[in-house]
Amino acid sequence: GIQVEQSPPDLILQEGANSTLRCNFSDSVNNLQWFHQNPWGQLINLFYIPSGTKQNGRLSATTVATERYSLLYISSSQTTDSGVYFCAVKQGGSEKLVFGKGTKLTVNP
Amino acid sequence: KAGVTQTPRYLIKTRGQQVTLSCSPISGHRSVSWYQQTPGQGLQFLFEYFSETQRNKGNFPGRFSGRQFSNSRSEMNVSTLELGDSALYLCASRQGRPLNTEAFFGQGTRLTVV
Repeated sequence: GIQVEQSPPDLILQEGANSTLRCNFSDSVNNLQWFHQNPWGQLINLFYIPSGTKQNGRLSATTVATERYSLLYISSSQTTDSGVYFCAVKQGGSEKLVFGKGTKLTVNP
Repeated sequence: KAGVTQTPRYLIKTRGQQVTLSCSPISGHRSVSWYQQTPGQGLQFLFEYFSETQRNKGNFPGRFSGRQFSNSRSEMNVSTLELGDSALYLCASRQGRPLNTEAFFGQGTRLTVV
């Protein structure tokens, strides 16, 4: 099955710094989502981005489907950005999402 | 518009017991998927239901089952609980048609098996 790799696995930043999280996938996909998991476990939708670039406030994402990767940019990070960021992809006619192992982000004040 | 609602939020069960978890999708969504999250295995797909029919199934033993009702609410059941079933169980809601729509997750049910 498709493999999803996220890097880096851990990232520690000072408040105000910028960061880039990467998601590589091993096969073509027709859906890609980025999530932020809050401390209580809920997956919060950040982007639905099978291709192209989107921006939402301090966050933006780019997916280059032909090269099988996606990037999540966080600018001017805040302590509330801390948590685990997941990339998930979907193939073909299945609604199954395949998740990466996540990037754990810690933003220190 | 209400989000995805999962109940209960927390459960403690004993080995050998069975458990039923519930998920109410976003109004108008007809697809419900279930995922298990553990520290060792990460997030893994259990199954997906659309219009009361199981459309896809992940690689889990038959002790894990589910169903969907005519109002799109879904339940998953785990029988003969094992310690390794301790996990966060997440439910995802989608429109279901067309395919490739965005998935939205509930807050999860944290199951502890003792």
